[in-house]
Amino acid sequence: GQNIDQPTEMTATEGAIVQINCTYQTSGFNGLFWYQQHAGEAPTFLSYNVLDGLEEKGRFSSFLSRSKGYSYLLLKELQMKDSASYLCAVRPLASNYQLIWGAGTKLIIKP
Amino acid sequence: NAGVTQTPKFRVLKTGQSMTLLCAQDMNHEYMYWYRQDPGMGLRLIHYSVGEGTTAKGEVPDGYNVSRLKKQNFLLGLESAAPSQTSVYFCASSLAGVETQYFGPGTRLLVL
Repeated sequence: GQNIDQPTEMTATEGAIVQINCTYQTSGFNGLFWYQQHAGEAPTFLSYNVLDGLEEKGRFSSFLSRSKGYSYLLLKELQMKDSASYLCAVRPLASNYQLIWGAGTKLIIKP
Repeated sequence: NAGVTQTPKFRVLKTGQSMTLLCAQDMNHEYMYWYRQDPGMGLRLIHYSVGEGTTAKGEVPDGYNVSRLKKQNFLLGLESAAPSQTSVYFCASSLAGVETQYFGPGTRLLVL
């Protein structure tokens, strides 16, 4: 079957660094997305990884290891506005439209 | 550009009632999607469309119908609502199937 695992909830301190992990088992692999979703709002695109390695975009970075079926989202210099759910989604190899979504990780930032 | 918009934002239905959720996008995207989001679960695809006049079933299509008569609009219908359809419904669109999906603000539906 196809499965994506993320921690349900994490807590971090303002100004610190946090890493949110995502592991996946899918029928082939054709890319991994990270989305941010604030409570009561729509998911918004953060990053897309298709090749192994680290992609850096400001305070946010995303890493992918295809051989391990593993990705992480790294958030630096945490701000209170980073309190949100972070969704990992994988595109299986045979699909040109389908995404398999994780349940999301709720990140709580404390002062 | 408004991006992706959804109406209504919130609705309460009684079991057995019908309703239509409207999604509109002004980005000239070919692909459009309807998802539902439930607590503790990932987004689940209900139906999708790869272009005007075409629709297809996703992961959880039972109890829902869709239509895409115009490229910019994608309608989701519930013919006879059930409490199990209480959820938050998101519409999304993408330029092509492999491109980033952009989401609307969601419709919160409560079926009593």
